[in-house]
Amino acid sequence: NAGVTQTPKFQVLKTGQSMTLQCAQDMNHEYMSWYRQDPGMGLRLIHYSVGAGITDQGEVPNGYNVSRSTTEDFPLRLLSAAPSQTSVYFCASSSLARQGSNNEQFFGPGTRLTVL
Amino acid sequence: TQLLEQSPQFLSIQEGENLTVYCNSSSVFSSLQWYRQEPGEGPVLLVTVVTGGEVKKLKRLTFQFGDARKDSSLHITAAQPGDTGLYLCAGGRAGRRALTFGSGTRLQVQP
Repeated sequence: NAGVTQTPKFQVLKTGQSMTLQCAQDMNHEYMSWYRQDPGMGLRLIHYSVGAGITDQGEVPNGYNVSRSTTEDFPLRLLSAAPSQTSVYFCASSSLARQGSNNEQFFGPGTRLTVL
Repeated sequence: TQLLEQSPQFLSIQEGENLTVYCNSSSVFSSLQWYRQEPGEGPVLLVTVVTGGEVKKLKRLTFQFGDARKDSSLHITAAQPGDTGLYLCAGGRAGRRALTFGSGTRLQVQP
């Protein structure tokens, strides 16, 4: 049981390049989400999904796309990277077994992205 | 606009000291979670509180949810170097799956 895995761990991009951050979980969780973490800003929600085929925008969705073709995978795509997207990106998953947002979120180890 | 404000932002103390971290908001939350994050890793859940006035203890850590469910505190007794890390509070709202995270408190405990 690997939990939530993310690849790559580090990435450097040039402005305008595109890339996909991978996220996978093996806990059969329905809910998956992407956050970015910047100094002094905590974690800000980018996109989330409550199940395969269902995605929605979070607090800071601009410049990012997601898809959810399977329960396990939730990739995050940067369409045209900008220096403002330099950040640490975390993927998280949780069960929807209980009502509300009380369910524990399990986080991956993060991807540290630098855009030059 | 940060819906959840944490204070202090940074805290450096000696081993054995006590400390309190605060998480405040003008909004009401249906639940409040506390996470700890170590360098190079993702946050890990410490506790969830859901009832106004609720107090939960986890060994030397005491968590309290405010009566009005707008604020929370984390108290650590006799801090140890292993307590070093970034402490994040996260609020949940009824009917919404997404959490709102605070800006975090970075704690360093010197041996």
